[in-house]
Amino acid sequence: QSVLTQPPSVSAAPGQKVTISCSGSTSNIGSNYVSWYQHVPGTAPKLLIYDTAKRPSGIPDRFSGFKSGTSATLGITGLQTGDEADYYCGTWDRSLSDWEFGGGTKVTVL
Amino acid sequence: QVQLQESGPGLVKPSQTLSLTCTVSGGSVSSGGYHWSWIRQHPGKGLEWIGYIYYSGSTYFNPSLKSRVTMSMDTSKGQFSLKLSSVTAADTAIYYCARTVVTVNRPYDTPAWFDPWGQGTLVTVSS
Repeated sequence: QSVLTQPPSVSAAPGQKVTISCSGSTSNIGSNYVSWYQHVPGTAPKLLIYDTAKRPSGIPDRFSGFKSGTSATLGITGLQTGDEADYYCGTWDRSLSDWEFGGGTKVTVL
Repeated sequence: QVQLQESGPGLVKPSQTLSLTCTVSGGSVSSGGYHWSWIRQHPGKGLEWIGYIYYSGSTYFNPSLKSRVTMSMDTSKGQFSLKLSSVTAADTAIYYCARTVVTVNRPYDTPAWFDPWGQGTLVTVSS
């Protein structure tokens, strides 16, 4: 059981927006940057967001990251069929002295 | 463009040692500023960070796996490796290697993000 809680699934129609929450505590999200990863099973996971809100080169601005207190959020606007994947948040937990990933959220484009 | 590729046996017997290698191309494992991690995903489950190694040989492991994990690096071959001892069925997973950016801290650097990742390799523990 991860210390970072994500909803198991979210869905929306093409062109719509989805948000994925990642809820933690003061020992992880509350005191560290968050990163987000997109994973299509069978392929290499891809970094989408680092340092909570920054996008690597090549990641479209449809993807955004935000944090408030002990919760982080990934937003995806203009949803496309190619966005169907599992999404994971991650951060350092200073109490566990370990890197933690969220349980993952499956995004479905209706 | 840096690429990573995992390799190793896909089947390991219980109680034996799992050994995997990650080959890095398009960049150097000894370039400063990057650490190199192993991450795994149990079937149908989420991701679990195993630990990292730096080209100097310094390592940090997930406390829950620390007693069974060894990592090493061969800079001449552009490779780093994972050994996990005394495996059980619970170690069956897809194993990924990833380049790691860290936050410099004392007494050890802490991961900040992972990019890029390898495609992953499935390791099954079974007799």
